[in-house]
Amino acid sequence: SQTIHQWPATLVQPVGSPLSLECTVEGTSNPNLYWYRQAAGRGLQLLFYSVGIGQISSEVPQNLSASRPQDRQFILSSKKLLLSDSGFYLCAKSEITGNTIYFGEGSWLTVV
Amino acid sequence: GQQLNQSPQSMFIQEGEDVSMNCTSSSIFNTWLWYKQDPGEGPVLLIALYKAGELTSNGRLTAQFGITRKDSFLNISASIPSDVGIYFCAGQWNYGGSQGNLIFGKGTKLSVKP
Repeated sequence: SQTIHQWPATLVQPVGSPLSLECTVEGTSNPNLYWYRQAAGRGLQLLFYSVGIGQISSEVPQNLSASRPQDRQFILSSKKLLLSDSGFYLCAKSEITGNTIYFGEGSWLTVV
Repeated sequence: GQQLNQSPQSMFIQEGEDVSMNCTSSSIFNTWLWYKQDPGEGPVLLIALYKAGELTSNGRLTAQFGITRKDSFLNISASIPSDVGIYFCAGQWNYGGSQGNLIFGKGTKLSVKP
């Protein structure tokens, strides 16, 4: 199964407020997990990826952080949101032995 | 960060027309992927290519992994209204047992001709 659950689907948050986007995946154990951001009219930007529990690699320095408390759970967080954090956030996974990345439905974040 | 050159950026289609788009890169990949994204949803994988020269079809979609490993093409034959959306190419270099990061093109937006 490539099922990827993301929530919430949409979120409107004020500047300076915290953020928590959650992602859970189904399928084989120890998948690679990813957070991407897609700004309006632009391509996909890799933010974080994880090859295992507690292992997080950051691709872009910013005020966001990620955590992987369980094998199939990936969380994107911020302590204080900025206007520029608005966008469409996508959780993705790939199997440890596979080359193909599958995406979740996405979460729309609007920072006001 | 690194990105692929995907073209065209946008195009209008009339039902029944064939559509072509491509991606080029300055570096080589050993995996090319094509995704389609409908508004407000995550990208859905259409075709995966793992070998230079490979030609793979998925219904009316055909994609090719360029011989130079620096480009890929996606063709849609006899387009229908539900083909509208944004198409993304993505390249990846996997070495040994490690999976490289997926590099995305900026997308080709398909719209219906008014």
